[in-house]
Amino acid sequence: EIVLTQSPGTLSLSPGEGATLSCRASQSLTSSRLAWYQQRPGQAPRLLIYAASSRATGIPDRFSGSGSGPDFTLTISRLEPEDFAVYYCQQYGSSPFTFGPGTKLDI
Amino acid sequence: QMQLQESGPGLVKPSETLSLTCSVSGASINTIGYYWAWVRQPPGKGLEWIGSIFSGGNIHYNPSLKNRIIISVDTSNNQFSLRLRSVTAADTAFYFCARDGVILNGGVMLAGIFDPWGPGTLVTVSS
Repeated sequence: EIVLTQSPGTLSLSPGEGATLSCRASQSLTSSRLAWYQQRPGQAPRLLIYAASSRATGIPDRFSGSGSGPDFTLTISRLEPEDFAVYYCQQYGSSPFTFGPGTKLDI
Repeated sequence: QMQLQESGPGLVKPSETLSLTCSVSGASINTIGYYWAWVRQPPGKGLEWIGSIFSGGNIHYNPSLKNRIIISVDTSNNQFSLRLRSVTAADTAFYFCARDGVILNGGVMLAGIFDPWGPGTLVTVSS
């Protein structure tokens, strides 16, 4: 099973600032098969990024993903108030599909 | 626009079977190429993939739960279901259903990407 580690655990920032969230896999991911999700309190997760860098339908371009191998990054430029949430990375290159523990983005 | 909605009992007794249904609207569950998935999240904790089923019946389960779960699809009612037997308090969680897969421009389907999701339902295991 591939284990994902996310850092930092909590990131405290202000609206208008930029955020960089990291995700590291316990082994290299085939074809960069990594996704990012946003989960606001009381809501289901929402797909942001798949294939490490492809934005899902309707996701603003202030969200971008990068990385390959075992190391991946989600970058959020110009934070909006609605961006303060928990962000999970998830690998789908190997079954069982697994999620990271999440990074909480705090105001 | 496709929507998913989970339904089922919110309270299950220990050792009994948890049964949930996901109703899909706005699209046919027979849409070629997609799987349909269950994911759970204990309150205040992270996400765990439970398993995914193809409309044609091909199924992938998380090995950690494989011996206790059955996922099935009912194409006539545009639904898919989860049954988890012999539940314990550790199975208390929000249970989400989701479409599994993204189809790229070339028609290639990437499985294991969950979008969209249902709102989730809390199932508590307690006597």
